[in-house]
Amino acid sequence: EAGVAQSPRYKIIEKRQSVAFWCNPISGHATLYWYQQILGQGPKLLIQFQNNGVVDDSQLPKDRFSAERLKGVDSTLKIQPAKLEDSAVYLCATAASPGPETQYFGPGTRLLVL
Amino acid sequence: AQSVTQLGSHVSVSEGALVLLRCNYSSSVPPYLFWYVQYPNQGLQLLLKYTSAATLVKGINGFEAEFKKSETSFHLTKPSAHMSDAAEYFCAVTRTGNQFYFGTGTSLTVIP
Repeated sequence: EAGVAQSPRYKIIEKRQSVAFWCNPISGHATLYWYQQILGQGPKLLIQFQNNGVVDDSQLPKDRFSAERLKGVDSTLKIQPAKLEDSAVYLCATAASPGPETQYFGPGTRLLVL
Repeated sequence: AQSVTQLGSHVSVSEGALVLLRCNYSSSVPPYLFWYVQYPNQGLQLLLKYTSAATLVKGINGFEAEFKKSETSFHLTKPSAHMSDAAEYFCAVTRTGNQFYFGTGTSLTVIP
């Protein structure tokens, strides 16, 4: 069974530029999460999807971050414009269903904003 | 409000020694609790989870954790550390499964 795929693995941009991350979940996984992991901290949930609908985006900085999962499969997370404090690893995780289910994490995208 | 506190950002043990990583939670109702492990440049992998069944939970790679409601704790243990256990460990809590809160992590070093 293929795992959660993320791309790119690394990205370096200058502040005020835009960037997009892509996530392909495990086949059949309806629930998808995006997390931000700043160096030295635990993952922080940004947004949760159930199929193509948003379940929770209370911690997503909506003035600059956006995410979509149009067909309920792949998802993209975008930052526009990026700030220095957005430097972090962005993790995508998926689960077969919502609730206290096991989340399967991708390898993450490491973003450096200069 | 929910949160988890991991005491000790760095723990060092000798190979073969007991591993004890501490996690305390704050939740207004009985939560679901998880331990995840993260190896360098990899995503997180589930070690074990508590979902209100048995209070002593056994996970992969010889790890186990005990849910103690009276102490609001969910400490992770392994009787004998192996070099391959060196990694970052995260405790996480959720009440409904729709909002997960992770601790700040504990980096485990195993000394040969």
